[in-house]
Amino acid sequence: AQTVTQSQPEMSVQEAETVTLSCTYDTSESDYYLFWYKQPPSRQMILVIRQEAYKQQNATENRFSVNFQKAAKSFSLKISDSQLGDAAMYFCAYRSGTDSSYKLIFGSGTRLLVRP
Amino acid sequence: DAGVIQSPRHEVTEMGQEVTLRCKPISGHNSLFWYRQTMMRGLELLIYFNNNVPIDDSGMPEDRFSAKMPNASFSTLKIQPSEPRDSAVYFCASEGGGQPQHFGDGTRLSIL
Repeated sequence: AQTVTQSQPEMSVQEAETVTLSCTYDTSESDYYLFWYKQPPSRQMILVIRQEAYKQQNATENRFSVNFQKAAKSFSLKISDSQLGDAAMYFCAYRSGTDSSYKLIFGSGTRLLVRP
Repeated sequence: DAGVIQSPRHEVTEMGQEVTLRCKPISGHNSLFWYRQTMMRGLELLIYFNNNVPIDDSGMPEDRFSAKMPNASFSTLKIQPSEPRDSAVYFCASEGGGQPQHFGDGTRLSIL
């Protein structure tokens, strides 16, 4: 069974600085997708970024980028120029790439605090 | 697009009462998911529908929970009778056309 591990329960960053959130996963599959979701205090689950395992290039969305290390099964999220609005819980998630698969497997989350 | 719409946003009721949570998926999405989020267990998939048909309900905790999807634009999650341990945030998500899952704003359920 696949598992997702986020080993940092909480992280803190100074506004305008850069922070990296860690995520590791365990799978025997070669085809899969990885996601980072953001959950602010309003509790919405907002998709931040998505990575297909077959792509070697790291995904980027504005200030958010990932460091995808397939061999190491690592999928970290880097937030550049941190803003107060980035404060939230961040969840890493895995999904199998098989046609019959559908389930998102979530990590336990990392709470990001942004200091003004 | 309006996104996934859930109602109510908050629900407070006494144990033993029936609770019905509602979800309208994004138009055109053919997959719908119900998740539950608690401090102890995190985010768990309860049930998954594809083309209105329940495919996997292995995450439904017990017979008190039931879910239906009578058409492509509406789904319900029902708890009867409710218990205090059912208190959680319940999310609905939909997916289709190669897009990743989009979540609704969730329903915070409190059973007294």
